[in-house]
Amino acid sequence: DAKTTQPTSMDCAEGRAANLPCNHSTISGNEYVYWYRQIHSQGPQYIIHGLKNNETNEMASLIITEDRKSSTLILPHATLRDTAVYYCIVKGGSEKLVFGKGTKLTVNP
Amino acid sequence: DSGVTQTPKHLITATGQRVTLRCSPRSGDLSVYWYQQSLDQGLQFLIQYYNGEERAKGNILERFSAQQFPDLHSELNLSSLELGDSALYFCASSEGAYQETQYFGPGTRLLVL
Repeated sequence: DAKTTQPTSMDCAEGRAANLPCNHSTISGNEYVYWYRQIHSQGPQYIIHGLKNNETNEMASLIITEDRKSSTLILPHATLRDTAVYYCIVKGGSEKLVFGKGTKLTVNP
Repeated sequence: DSGVTQTPKHLITATGQRVTLRCSPRSGDLSVYWYQQSLDQGLQFLIQYYNGEERAKGNILERFSAQQFPDLHSELNLSSLELGDSALYFCASSEGAYQETQYFGPGTRLLVL
């Protein structure tokens, strides 16, 4: 599975959009991009995933560049409850999820 | 609520002891995964079972073992416990075995004294 690079931390104002970037320059054609988040020490929560097209669900939007080497998770209207560590994971050839250090997003009032 | 349940929520035990962690997957899911999260190692994959059979193995110690029962619940057995085994243990489940979204339970916090 390809490795990912994410900023260590980000801040966002409540009510504004939070845009979390992820680089995955070695991604292969059959590998998906998954996003999970972990609020404090709770179980990781699935957010969204995609292969090449942009995806949207009730939680977030996922924008994948045309060359698939990077992606952005967008939380359209961040709330205080969105404060968490966000993990970008590339998954394809194995069953396991490989978690990096993620991005610690702090939403400020 | 992901639909995955784990018991117990907290466990405190002593070095050298043995404990069993239990996981019930979401209804209809056939795969169960176990992950360990410690302060220094982050979230790490331990093992996967699919429909009762071991399917993939990660960095699981020989002192640890798991199984999945006919009703699809899974147990993770940790024996000869050491201080360094103190961690959060998460179970996840998915519908199939391979390219499937995994949904995580709330975890079991293990403290070895």
